[in-house]
This record gives sequence, C-alpha cells and structure tokens, in this order.
Amino acid sequence: QSALTQPASVSGSPGQSITISCTGTSSDVGGYNYVSWYQQHPGKAPKLMIYEVSNRPSGVSNRFSGSKSGNTASLTISGLQAEDEADYYCSSYTSSSTPYYVFGTGTKVTVL
Amino acid sequence: QLQLQESGPGLVKPSETLSLTCTVSGGSISSSSYYWGWIRQPPGKGLEWIGSIYYSGSTYYNPSLKSRVTISVDTSKNQFSLKLSSVTAADTAVYYCARHRRRPGIGALDYWGQGTLVTVSS
Repeated sequence: QSALTQPASVSGSPGQSITISCTGTSSDVGGYNYVSWYQQHPGKAPKLMIYEVSNRPSGVSNRFSGSKSGNTASLTISGLQAEDEADYYCSSYTSSSTPYYVFGTGTKVTVL
Repeated sequence: QLQLQESGPGLVKPSETLSLTCTVSGGSISSSSYYWGWIRQPPGKGLEWIGSIYYSGSTYYNPSLKSRVTISVDTSKNQFSLKLSSVTAADTAVYYCARHRRRPGIGALDYWGQGTLVTVSS
C-alpha cells in the first residue's frame, strides 16, 4: 500500500487561507469517511486536527476544516497564523491487505 | 488529562530486538472504548503505523513488519509494549505510542506520547 500523496509544501501570508490536498484511491480515501489530519511542529508529537473527514476534536480552532471529494481529501486553514507553520499529515483507513492506517507523505506549511 | 510516555533503550545493536514500553496515566488502558498503538517516524521522514492492541490482547500489525513485531499489554501496570526483532539501521526512528477509538484505521489517533528516538547502530 503506497502512502497517500500530499504536496511537499504549501505557503501563505498571515490572514490568508491555504488548502492541503491528500490523494489516495477508492480503497482508502475515496472509499471511506475515515480521513484524519495531524499537525506536527518540529521535535513534537503529531496532534489530531481533523477526524472522519471534517470533524474537529474539542480544543482545535475552527480555522481548520476538512472535506473530501472523490479520492482526494483536503485540509483548509483559514486566517493563517504564524503558529500554523508546521508539517501536516493526512491518514486514512485502507481496505487493502496492507496497513490499516496509511499516512500521507506530509506537507510543510510555511507562513510567509 | 490522559498522558502517554514511552520508555526504553535509545540505542540498539543491529540484529538485536528493540523493546519499548508505553505507560498510560490519567486513564485506564482497560477501557473498552480504546485501542493502543505504536507509530514510528524515521528522521526527516513521514509516519508509519506499526501496530495496535486492545486491552483484551487482540493485536493488529502492519503486514510489512508483522514477522518482526510483537505488541503486548499489561493491564495491571497500565502499560503496553513493543518488541521489534532483527533490527537494522532502517529501523532508526522516533517511536510514538498513541491511543485510538475503534479499530485501527477507523479510529483517529487522538492522544500521543512525546516520542522516543531509537538509533540502531553498533
């Protein structure tokens, strides 16, 4: 099972909105509503930001939102802030015989 | 507040077995609502799920690592453990323990330990 495909980097200015894509197949992203997004600052553990495509855990800013269309899931960060600069990983359930969790390749978000 | 803490040797020799323990505090590992997993991240690279365990002892492994991985649980100590045998330099990574609701893949990883770096080197 290959990793989900994410852009290596995305950047934006403070206050802008950015969107990170996560492309898989009908066996993972496209087939199930079990897509999660994680934020990881350097040297820190990942933090859950979105689960089941579009749900935010308690305490996560509503500037973060998730969606899905076909085999591609997306994470949108609105009102970009300096503290949003981090790596972001998507994850999905996969029905293939390989890992139950398949992660994305990761996206570095830079706040200009 | 739930906390997870990894512990174990930071240096393992090639061909030996990597052993890590995750201690859970602020909650019971025996809760029927949760599963407990291991994820690793090689330096500068992405995340890889290793496997998960339910308090009853049911295990789920990444097929690419299954032949070398054993995950166990000790409910009396509120801990679960990872053993990875026959390690090579490719197993050098930060190892995280984490919690998830529902079965692997379906439940998001909602609590993570801080991670521990394990280096495989002679």
